[in-house]
Amino acid sequence: DAGITQSPRHKVTETGTPVTLRCHQTENHRYMYWYRQDPGHGLRLIHYSYGVKDTDKGEVSDGYSVSRSKTEDFLLTLESATSSQTSVYFCAISVLGRFTDTQYFGPGTRLTVL
Amino acid sequence: GENVEQHPSTLSVQEGDSAVIKCTYSDSASNYFPWYKQELGKRPQLIIDIRSNVGEKKDQRIAVTLNKTAKHFSLHITETQPEDSAVYFCAANQGGSNYKLTFGKGTLLTVNP
Repeated sequence: DAGITQSPRHKVTETGTPVTLRCHQTENHRYMYWYRQDPGHGLRLIHYSYGVKDTDKGEVSDGYSVSRSKTEDFLLTLESATSSQTSVYFCAISVLGRFTDTQYFGPGTRLTVL
Repeated sequence: GENVEQHPSTLSVQEGDSAVIKCTYSDSASNYFPWYKQELGKRPQLIIDIRSNVGEKKDQRIAVTLNKTAKHFSLHITETQPEDSAVYFCAANQGGSNYKLTFGKGTLLTVNP
């Protein structure tokens, strides 16, 4: 499991409310990622982080913000949730290997926005 | 940016048959191509990967081939078993970066007993 946990695992919320998802890792890996997974779209990168306070946008970042104040935690915030943000959210980390970095995924958070 | 196309979107085979999933990529700088398997309700898990300095890699019943000239790579599963049923995703690293991947849209493989 590469020491990755996500919380909450399931959440139902209403349109317009703020939502924060947490990703926690136990092994001090530098790179962390947030993806969303939707039927017919595969996995799409929302934001990623390359260190404490260092983050960058992915391909579907609109409506999302992130923060990383500690190496082990990467937070994804939906400032005002919309129904289009109903999805399964996966956190991932990069584990440094001999030739390349390998991404490992957390268990996922299923978010429903009503 | 990188674009990864994956085909077919669904694939149904009989147990014992082979399955092949194909992906194409657009960024000539891409040099790392992992494959993930995702069972229903679970997280994607890496099953095999290949770097551009090799043309083929095998791990038991799974193999991946890479054609850099044509910018395509394929996953081959031989002697399929019902437990191979899952969604498979290919990916390619963006701009040769070690850190950012672009994923295909996935292939739902069903292995019928």
